[in-house]
Amino acid sequence: DAGVTQSPTHLIKTRGQQVTLRCSPKSGHDTVSWYQQALGQGPQFIFQYYEEEERQRGNFPDRFSGHQFPNYSSELNVNALLLGDSALYLCASSRRLAGRPGEQYFGPGTRLTVT
Amino acid sequence: KQEVTQIPAALSVPEGENLVLNCSFTDSAIYNLQWFRQDPGKGLTSLLLIQSSQREQTSGRLNASLDKSSGRSTLYIAASQPGDSATYLCAVRSWGTSGSRLTFGEGTQLTVNP
Repeated sequence: DAGVTQSPTHLIKTRGQQVTLRCSPKSGHDTVSWYQQALGQGPQFIFQYYEEEERQRGNFPDRFSGHQFPNYSSELNVNALLLGDSALYLCASSRRLAGRPGEQYFGPGTRLTVT
Repeated sequence: KQEVTQIPAALSVPEGENLVLNCSFTDSAIYNLQWFRQDPGKGLTSLLLIQSSQREQTSGRLNASLDKSSGRSTLYIAASQPGDSATYLCAVRSWGTSGSRLTFGEGTQLTVNP
C-alpha cells in the first residue's frame, strides 16, 4: 500500500514565477492538508481540502491556492514567488470517519528553493 | 489562536540516558495530540498519537503523556540511542465543523552521543 506521495522532490524557481506542487493521498484517504516548513521551524498549516473544497485555511496570502481532484489527489499553487516562500512543503492525508477527522499521514515533502 | 511551545529547543545527551521532552499548548480544546520525528531534510514520522480523552500512549521505548487541562504533554524516551538523534515535533489537532488542522511547535533537536 503506497503511502502519501509528493512530486517533485526538489524544485528551484526564480522570484515572481509560479509553481505547482502535487500530492497523492494514501489509499482510502479523502482529505488532504498542506503545510509549509521553513528551515529550523515547525510546519505551518496552509489549508485543507475535502470533497474538492477548501475547508480550512491558515494565515497564508491568496498567492497560495489549491485544488483537489475527484480521485482525492491535490495540487498546491503559489503565484508571484518570494524568497521567503523557500521551504519544505508537506502534504498530509487522512480519512474522515463518521464526520470525524482521522489521523494525518505525511508525505516526504517537496523542497522549494526560490532564487 | 492555538500556540504550541516545545522545551528545550535542543538537547545533547550521552547514549543510554533517559530523557523527557516537553510540549505546552494554549487552548485546551484539542481533538488529539501527536508526537513526530523528523530527520534532516525529510518528512514527518508519527511516533505517538494521544486522543483528547486519553492520558498516555506507549510504543517501545517511547511514552507520551497528555494533561489537557493544564495544556501539557511530555515525551519520555528510555535508554536513548544514537539512532534517536533527530528533531521531535509536538502537534495538537484542532477540529471544527468545516475541518481540522495541526498546530506544531518549533521542535526539540535531540543529539544522542555514542
